[in-house]
Amino acid sequence: GQQLNQSPQSMFIQEGEDVSMNCTSSSIFNTWLWYKQDPGEGPVLLIALYKAGELTSNGRLTAQFGITRKDSFLNISASIPSDVGIYFCALPGGGGTSYGKLTFGQGTILTVHP
Amino acid sequence: DADVTQTPRNRITKTGKRIMLECSQTKGHDRMYWYRQDPGLGLRLIYYSFDVKDINKGEISDGYSVSRQAQAKFSLSLESAIPNQTALYFCATSPGQGYQPQHFGDGTRLSIL
Repeated sequence: GQQLNQSPQSMFIQEGEDVSMNCTSSSIFNTWLWYKQDPGEGPVLLIALYKAGELTSNGRLTAQFGITRKDSFLNISASIPSDVGIYFCALPGGGGTSYGKLTFGQGTILTVHP
Repeated sequence: DADVTQTPRNRITKTGKRIMLECSQTKGHDRMYWYRQDPGLGLRLIYYSFDVKDINKGEISDGYSVSRQAQAKFSLSLESAIPNQTALYFCATSPGQGYQPQHFGDGTRLSIL
């Protein structure tokens, strides 16, 4: 299966700081997804990217689909305490019957100090 | 009410016991999934189903079984639980037809002593 590496594993920042995390894959893909998991809840989709080079924003969140199609970045600007949680990148499975499955990165645990 | 409901939310049990985790959904989605989350490993796919009676193994299916006897329900069983199956388990759903974002339940925290 594909290798998916996410970094950093954890971040401790002050409120108001910007945050950046990234994922790299061993193969080329046509879709990158970013999920957030709040404490005690399941992951929720934040941003979906469908085209190499695409830059997509959702409020203070910005994600980019790398030109090589093997990486993606998620940035959070002016962090606030409710940004706390685990952020995951994810890739859809291959074609045929495996299409629809997701492979997740290891997650980035974000802690925001007031 | 939640669209994807997992029961129980927490469970503590002993090694060797049989355990069933339930997932039900009101979204009308055809596809359902079971994932396991461990610290530092992200979410790993255990089993998935694209329709009633359709069952497919995921990345880590050993030691688990599933049942999909209705569109809205997908259950995960541990026939003989062992301590390294202690984890957070998530059910997810998605519509059929190609790739669609998955919607997750709030998880079941399972501890096996």
